[in-house]
Amino acid sequence: EIVMTQSPATLSVSPGERATLSCRASQSVSGNLAWYQQKPGQAPRLLIYGASTRATGIPARFSGSGSGTEFTLTISSLQSEDFAVYYCQQYNKWPPGTFGQGTKVEIK
Amino acid sequence: QLQLQESGPGLVKPSETLSLTCTVSGVSISSRSYYWTWIRQPPGKGLEWIGSVYYSGSTYYNPSLKSRVSISVDTSKNQFSLKLSSVTAADTAVYYCARDKGGIDYWGQGTLVTVSS
Repeated sequence: EIVMTQSPATLSVSPGERATLSCRASQSVSGNLAWYQQKPGQAPRLLIYGASTRATGIPARFSGSGSGTEFTLTISSLQSEDFAVYYCQQYNKWPPGTFGQGTKVEIK
Repeated sequence: QLQLQESGPGLVKPSETLSLTCTVSGVSISSRSYYWTWIRQPPGKGLEWIGSVYYSGSTYYNPSLKSRVSISVDTSKNQFSLKLSSVTAADTAVYYCARDKGGIDYWGQGTLVTVSS
């Protein structure tokens, strides 16, 4: 099973600043990686798939990059609605489609 | 508009079988482009992929749960279902059904299932 490791566990950022979240795979997942945002009491929302393609309706301030084992989600200028937990998920080798443990982006 | 809705008991006794159904509206579950997936999230914890089913009935399970999980599809009702046997308190979680196309783009609202006597 591929293990996905996200860092940091918590990221404290001021509104308007840039946030950079990392996700590492225990073996190559090629470009088959997705990012999700989850707010309290809500289902996750797909932000990015194929490592760098924004899902429908996702603002351009969200961008994804990377391939193989190292991936990054960047939020260029944090808005109040962006404070949430973010998960990466690989779907290159499933089952299972393993998730990272999440990064919480909180207000500094 | 595509919607997924989970239904089933919110309370299950230890050692019994958890059964949930996901009703899909707005798109045919027989579409060849998607897998239909169950994911769970224990309270305060992260996401765990349980398994997926294709419209043909082909199934794919998380190896960690494979001995206890069964997922099926009913194309006539546009539904798919989850059964998890021999549950314990560790199976207490919010269970989500979802559409998976390589990236899970539509999720149900989730349903909390508590395992307790």
